[in-house]
Amino acid sequence: DAKTTQPNSMESNEEEPVHLPCNHSTISGTDYIHWYRQLPSQGPEYVIHGLTSNVNNRMASLAIAEDRKSSTLILHRATLRDAAVYYCILRSSSSGGSYIPTFGRGTSLIVHP
Amino acid sequence: GAGVSQSPSNKVTEKGKDVELRCDPISGHTALYWYRQSLGQGLEFLIYFQGNSAPDKSGLPSDRFSAERTGGSVSTLTIQRTQQEDSAVYLCASSPTSGKAGELFFGEGSRLTVL
Repeated sequence: DAKTTQPNSMESNEEEPVHLPCNHSTISGTDYIHWYRQLPSQGPEYVIHGLTSNVNNRMASLAIAEDRKSSTLILHRATLRDAAVYYCILRSSSSGGSYIPTFGRGTSLIVHP
Repeated sequence: GAGVSQSPSNKVTEKGKDVELRCDPISGHTALYWYRQSLGQGLEFLIYFQGNSAPDKSGLPSDRFSAERTGGSVSTLTIQRTQQEDSAVYLCASSPTSGKAGELFFGEGSRLTVL
């Protein structure tokens, strides 16, 4: 699977927007971009995914660069409950490729009251 | 319950003992993954089951680790002769498909402590 690069940590204030970046310069044309988050002492949970177009759901928005080499997860108004580790992963299914989602260390988001 | 269930939630064992960790995936999910997460680290892939296909065992760290999935549903991860470095949270995830858009649903994990 192609590799993703994320900052180790980011900080935000409550009620402010948060933009979490992810670089995936070796992404292939059929790779989907997925975001998960892991709250303390819990398993990861799905946040959002996309292929080429920007995506919105009740949790967040996903902005995908035109060349698809980077993406940004946008939390419109951070709350204390959004403090978590956010993982950006690629799901590859190219011929001979693997279906194994690979998680890095993610970005630890700290939200200040 | 509707989610992925893992048991036990916590397991403390002595070095050299065998342990079994269980995962009940969401009904109907064909794909099942095991990961482990050491303190402060990311998720390390262990093994992947997809339907009736042979599992992908490429992530198992040693031959002390094995896993099976019976009837395409429940999975058991077995660690033989546990070592202190096996201490970690073992996470199971299932997905309705192995396809690239398939969302992963994780359990709460089994925390293993080897004394």
